[in-house]
Amino acid sequence: AQSVTQLDSQVPVFEEAPVELRCNYSSSVSVYLFWYVQYPNQGLQLLLKYLSGSTLVKGINGFEAEFNKSQTSFHLRKPSVHISDTAEYFCAVSTNFGNEKLTFGTGTRLTIIP
Amino acid sequence: DTGVSQNPRHKITKRGQNVTFRCDPISEHNRLYWYRQTLGQGPEFLTYFQNEAQLEKSRLLSDRFSAERPKGSFSTLEIQRTEQGDSAMYLCASSPRGAGNEKLFFGSGTQLSVL
Repeated sequence: AQSVTQLDSQVPVFEEAPVELRCNYSSSVSVYLFWYVQYPNQGLQLLLKYLSGSTLVKGINGFEAEFNKSQTSFHLRKPSVHISDTAEYFCAVSTNFGNEKLTFGTGTRLTIIP
Repeated sequence: DTGVSQNPRHKITKRGQNVTFRCDPISEHNRLYWYRQTLGQGPEFLTYFQNEAQLEKSRLLSDRFSAERPKGSFSTLEIQRTEQGDSAMYLCASSPRGAGNEKLFFGSGTQLSVL
């Protein structure tokens, strides 16, 4: 079985400052990694994904993440945040690309301070 | 493409009552998933369908829970004899044939409160 750990439940950041949201995973087999964002009263939206290839993946809204196999991490970064980035962010893992069953972390609430 | 639609958005019920939620996936998406999200937690997988066939059920899905997708289009999730621990956001997601996780679309969810 696989698991995902998001150590930071809440992250406050000043507007235009950089941010990193941490994600670590555990799995005995190869994994596919995802970051989802959930805005208030909305469904989950895919930010970015790592399936294979380059370990640095870029997503929507200026976010990027780096897959580090030795550290079993997939941290999410943005060089300069905006008020509109205020949301809940979930890291997720799956072990079968064809079966979309995802295991999610507990989420990190990102709050942007004006 | 109007997105994944879930109804109702909110449901308040008394303990012991039965409730049913509906999910309308994106048209022609053959896979449909149900997840449950409790306060302070990430979504947890409940079950999924490929067309009308229910292919996998989580251990979280007790005997009081039943999901159907009779014609391979919309799906219903019923909870019988609700308990306070069933209070959660129930999320539905769908994806098209042959697609992987990158084509998974989530609805806005149904928030269930059991009093």
